[in-house]
Amino acid sequence: EIVMTQSPATLSVSPGERVTLSCRASQSLSTDLAWYQQNPGQPPRLLIYGASTRATGIPARFTGSGSGTEFTLTISSLQSEDFAVYYCQGYHNWPPWTFGQGTKVEMK
Amino acid sequence: QEQVVESGGGVVQPGRSLRLSCEASGFTFRSYGMHWIRQAPGKGLEWVAGIWYDETNKYYADSVKGRFTISKDNSRNTLYLQMNSLRVDDTAVYRCARGRGAQLISYFDSWGLGTLVTVS
Repeated sequence: EIVMTQSPATLSVSPGERVTLSCRASQSLSTDLAWYQQNPGQPPRLLIYGASTRATGIPARFTGSGSGTEFTLTISSLQSEDFAVYYCQGYHNWPPWTFGQGTKVEMK
Repeated sequence: QEQVVESGGGVVQPGRSLRLSCEASGFTFRSYGMHWIRQAPGKGLEWVAGIWYDETNKYYADSVKGRFTISKDNSRNTLYLQMNSLRVDDTAVYRCARGRGAQLISYFDSWGLGTLVTVS
């Protein structure tokens, strides 16, 4: 089973700041990685797949990068609606499908 | 509008059974793989089970293997999760999600709001 590790667990930032979230896989995923955003009481929303392809309707301020075992999600200028929990998910070798433990982006 | 809506959750005693349903609309359900993913209160996401578009392959997390069964009725646009021998640690919001990517099962592009299962 591939283990996904996200860092940091919590990020305290101010609106307008640039944010970088990290995700590491225990084995190479190539670029088979997705990112999701989850607001309280809501289901996750797909942001990025294929490590760097934005899903339909996702603003350009969200950028995914990386390959192999190291991946990054960057939010160029944090908006109020971006305060949420972010999960990465690998899908190179399944089953199982595995998620990181999440990074919470909170207001400073 | 593509949508999935879960139902069937509730409070159940340990050892009992429950069946969850997920009704899909707005897309060609028979063409997609589907998954169940759960989230315990205040915790992260845990994949539970997945099924190919035509039910030819089914997959389970080790934590539910032998107790849960995923199925798909393409004539009713509905996904099911039969949960037997429920345990306290099965308590979670259960969401269905549509698969995309390779085999249309690799990642999840449409999620329901979920249904809460409490085992107590």
